[in-house]
Amino acid sequence: DAGVIQSPRHEVTEMGQEVTLRCKPISGHDYLFWYRQTMMRGLELLIYFNNNVPIDDSGMPEDRFSAKMPNASFSTLKIQPSEPRDSAVYFCASTPGWSSGYTFGSGTRLTVV
Amino acid sequence: QKEVEQNSGPLSVPEGAIASLNCTYSDRGSQSFFWYRQYSGKSPELIMFIYSNGDKEDGRFTAQLNKASQYVSLLIRDSQPSDSATYLCAVNMEYGNKLVFGAGTILRVKS
Repeated sequence: DAGVIQSPRHEVTEMGQEVTLRCKPISGHDYLFWYRQTMMRGLELLIYFNNNVPIDDSGMPEDRFSAKMPNASFSTLKIQPSEPRDSAVYFCASTPGWSSGYTFGSGTRLTVV
Repeated sequence: QKEVEQNSGPLSVPEGAIASLNCTYSDRGSQSFFWYRQYSGKSPELIMFIYSNGDKEDGRFTAQLNKASQYVSLLIRDSQPSDSATYLCAVNMEYGNKLVFGAGTILRVKS
């Protein structure tokens, strides 16, 4: 298995632009999570899906952030408009169930200038 | 009170020594506990999980859980320079069914 695949690995964008991050979970994993990691705040859960349905989006910082999972093999996290404080590493993770640990993707390092 | 607390470190140990990493959590109903290792610039990697009180050993790693004290720890025996990384404690909270991570402890193993 190729693991959790995220793209792009790095993204540099100007403030105000739209940013879309992509994730392909491990096949058969029913849960998909989006995390954000910064030095100040550590790993923060933004949103998670179960069987393509958003279950908890309480971690999404504001309306500028949105996430979708149109099918079992693909999810996107969109930021529109982007701001410099959104600069962070965004991780996608998946798991087959709650008793299992999560497998993380390689992350997307986002820089908003 | 933070949901999952760890000492940020850095924790410095000499090569060959035992490294002890600690974590406390706030949700008494938590059932699953995980330790992740994260090298600089890389993603978190699962190294241990524990569900029951007591010790669980896997090679040089031992996870210890005390639910009454809401405390979980990770021991690394015969520490190697390659163990130098940030170690993240993660707890599956009973409410909301989600994994909450601590801020991580930086471990430095000196050769």
